[in-house]
Amino acid sequence: DTAVSQTPKYLVTQMGNDKSIKCEQNLGHDTMYWYKQDSKKFLKIMFSYNNKELIINETVPNRFSPKSPDKAHLNLHINSLELGDSAVYFCASSQIVGGATSGKETQYFGPGTRLLVL
Amino acid sequence: DAKTTQPTSMDCAEGRAANLPCNHSTISGNEYVYWYRQIHSQGPQYIIHGLKNNETNEMASLIITEDRKSSTLILPHATLRDTAVYYCIVPPIQAGTALIFGKGTTLSVSS
Repeated sequence: DTAVSQTPKYLVTQMGNDKSIKCEQNLGHDTMYWYKQDSKKFLKIMFSYNNKELIINETVPNRFSPKSPDKAHLNLHINSLELGDSAVYFCASSQIVGGATSGKETQYFGPGTRLLVL
Repeated sequence: DAKTTQPTSMDCAEGRAANLPCNHSTISGNEYVYWYRQIHSQGPQYIIHGLKNNETNEMASLIITEDRKSSTLILPHATLRDTAVYYCIVPPIQAGTALIFGKGTTLSVSS
């Protein structure tokens, strides 16, 4: 069974369109994340949710709106897509156990969604 | 938050040990060192983590210096499939905080 899955794997679309990416984890974790990896291969956090509540919201355009219907799902909706949105988007999950000093908050990543905006 | 410094790239012959260094001189006493890797076109994969004792699992060994200012990830018998970008990360203390990825070390294993 895939621990963290994302759909679709590839997404090619035109500028100005609206699209969604979905993520599901079956690890029973309470925290989920969206990371973006740009063409220079830098991985940066975008959002994170804990028990369906937004806890991290980095400087991301308002066109990006995450939604967490339940603990196991975190979706990312992008409005009015721009060329610069082309990237690989990774979902991840972890279980909060008292913070990073517990040594137990390992994050598990999905396979990524490759978004190309034309 | 502790920052890490890693060499940009390293080469290793297949079957030999790959030793990947990381400097984290500003690490505080209760911060862990985590290692992840990203094989081409895949999501990052957790490898190992440690606080101050050396750690070993089925993937790798982690050696942390006594002063905790640096560590070395050891892949004892590197294979071609170990070619990847390796990230040494010291996560912020706050619970649920995201990982901060640097540039990592690109390890190239060749036959």
